[in-house]
Amino acid sequence: GAVVSQHPSWVICKSGTSVKIECRSLDFQATTMFWYRQFPKQSLMLMATSNEGSKATYEQGVEKDKFLINHASLTLSTLTVTSAHPEDSSFYICSAPGRGDSPLHFGNGTRLTVT
Amino acid sequence: SQQGEEDPQALSIQEGENATMNCSYKTSINNLQWYRQNSGRGLVHLILIRSNEREKHSGRLRVTLDTSKKSSSLLITASRAADTASYFCATVPSPSSSASKIIFGSGTRLSIRP
Repeated sequence: GAVVSQHPSWVICKSGTSVKIECRSLDFQATTMFWYRQFPKQSLMLMATSNEGSKATYEQGVEKDKFLINHASLTLSTLTVTSAHPEDSSFYICSAPGRGDSPLHFGNGTRLTVT
Repeated sequence: SQQGEEDPQALSIQEGENATMNCSYKTSINNLQWYRQNSGRGLVHLILIRSNEREKHSGRLRVTLDTSKKSSSLLITASRAADTASYFCATVPSPSSSASKIIFGSGTRLSIRP
């Protein structure tokens, strides 16, 4: 089945640094990738939708200059958290849609801790 | 709110009992999906039910959909300790495309006591 590989699975960084999270579709082409953020014991909140070869679409309230998204190829989308602060600590998950009404394929998530 | 609502928020039952989780949503949908998330991991798709379907089964899972009430339920029969996880419903709005935003419910944290 379709697999989305997300790296790193966890990262600890200092305030002010930037962190890049990668999501790769391993055996299919993903023209679209959804990026979610999840706080403990809460649901997934859609942050942005990346589209291969074009600008990402950000949800209301999400700072596009802080959460940089790049979708340069049909198999790779990246999310860079710039100038990270402790409040950015969260679980970030990517997913790619299947064909038609097939389900989403999720990465295993990245636990970001900003100290 | 971006989310649909699920209840209960948390559910603790004895192994072997059945677990029922409910989901309500707000818009017209193309389909509704249920996902499972183990702690600290990504989501795993469990079952999809289309808007023209009322009930669907997959192993120990039974899903119902009532589009007139904009609600769905997930029943897990004969629960096992390994079923302990969070369960989320997710709706695909109608009309939909491959890039349609999928809206997740608030989730139910299920704990199975051995």
